[in-house]
Amino acid sequence: GENVEQHPSTLSVQEGDSAVIKCTYSDSASNYFPWYKQELGKGPQLIIDIRSNVGEKKDQRIAVTLNKTAKHFSLHITETQPEDSAVYFCAASDQTGANNLFFGTGTRLTVIP
Amino acid sequence: SQTIHQWPATLVQPVGSPLSLECTVEGTSNPNLYWYRQAAGRGLQLLFYSVGIGQISSEVPQNLSASRPQDRQFILSSKKLLLSDSGFYLCAWRRTGFWSPLHFGNGTRLTVT
Repeated sequence: GENVEQHPSTLSVQEGDSAVIKCTYSDSASNYFPWYKQELGKGPQLIIDIRSNVGEKKDQRIAVTLNKTAKHFSLHITETQPEDSAVYFCAASDQTGANNLFFGTGTRLTVIP
Repeated sequence: SQTIHQWPATLVQPVGSPLSLECTVEGTSNPNLYWYRQAAGRGLQLLFYSVGIGQISSEVPQNLSASRPQDRQFILSSKKLLLSDSGFYLCAWRRTGFWSPLHFGNGTRLTVT
């Protein structure tokens, strides 16, 4: 099945700086790559996603880039704020009939005021 | 709009006791349903998924089982809990289709003592 690796596992940035989280995937047929934000004691919430036919997608301070050749995708958060502090997960879809999502191991982002 | 309900929020059970976690989805029909487990500081592990009533697929052989008695109801069970079953259990749903996002419930924190 699909294998997703995520780096770094922890990331601390000063408020206002940018944060970048990177993921790689193993299945070249994967075609959907979402990013989730999980706050303490809650379920993950979708923040942005990208399809394989798009190289970049942006939503306000959040952007995701996809390099299909290299099989990696990244999350970029600009002008970070303390409320951005959370655990972020990347995921990639497999190509079974259910198109299941397989997740990276998460990045704990801390934004220092 | 669609909502997902998962209960209980927390549960403490002794080793060897049975388990039943329930999840229901409102506002949609024939969703794909999922159970994930999140160990402390780890990623999200897919346990079971269902593409229809009575159709259950298991991703990881283990002490747990899942059932889907109704279209929008998904149940995670165990006859005898093990210490290693402790973790954060998340139910999720998505519409069928390659690029439909996955929506999570708020999870159940299970502690087996």
